[in-house]
Amino acid sequence: QVQLQHWGAGLLKPSETLSLTCAVSGGSFSDYYWSWIRQPPGKGLEWIGEINHSGSTNYNPSLKSRVTISVDTSKNHFSLKLSSVTAADTAVYYCARVPWLLSYDAFDIWGQGTMVTVSS
Amino acid sequence: EIVMTQSPATLSVSPGERATFSCRASQSVSSNLAWYQQKPGQAPRLLIYDASTRATGLPARFSGSGSGTEFTLTISSLQSEDFAVYYCQQYNNWPRTFGQGTKLEIK
Repeated sequence: QVQLQHWGAGLLKPSETLSLTCAVSGGSFSDYYWSWIRQPPGKGLEWIGEINHSGSTNYNPSLKSRVTISVDTSKNHFSLKLSSVTAADTAVYYCARVPWLLSYDAFDIWGQGTMVTVSS
Repeated sequence: EIVMTQSPATLSVSPGERATFSCRASQSVSSNLAWYQQKPGQAPRLLIYDASTRATGLPARFSGSGSGTEFTLTISSLQSEDFAVYYCQQYNNWPRTFGQGTKLEIK
């Protein structure tokens, strides 16, 4: 059974860099795209970006200047870095799987979510 | 970016009755649309993809329809565990975008 487990710092100060890692276990890593999605408290979902095992990425233009998504295929991990955070970046951050080889790009498996708070 | 608009914001329905959710895209997304269910404190769960295909294990009371810019999610006979927030999402274009959600509450 595929599981996504992620971790990272939960409390940041303005201007710091958010850093999260998601570990994939129980399934193929190379057959999928891997995404980051966030959800501010009480609000809707925002797609941040995605990466595949080769390092090919797509980013949300609204965040592209501050976002880097990377992959470590030796560990079946992928990571998110978001620079120069502000209070507006406070959200629950999810990692999720995209089964693009099955010809649909929805998010079929999600991590548990990590709350990241930006506060001085 | 494609804007996804869901209606209504809140839907009040009694258990056993039918619930119908609407999702409209600002431009055609073909059939590249998914629906998710989210309960408090949980990650979203994929329900429907390709506008009308149920995810593995999803009860048959859930159905999706539509193409282009107009989509519908229907729950034919509401169970207690169905009360949650529902989101639509398009994956026809980048950036991937979600609707703002419809909260299904018990009437």
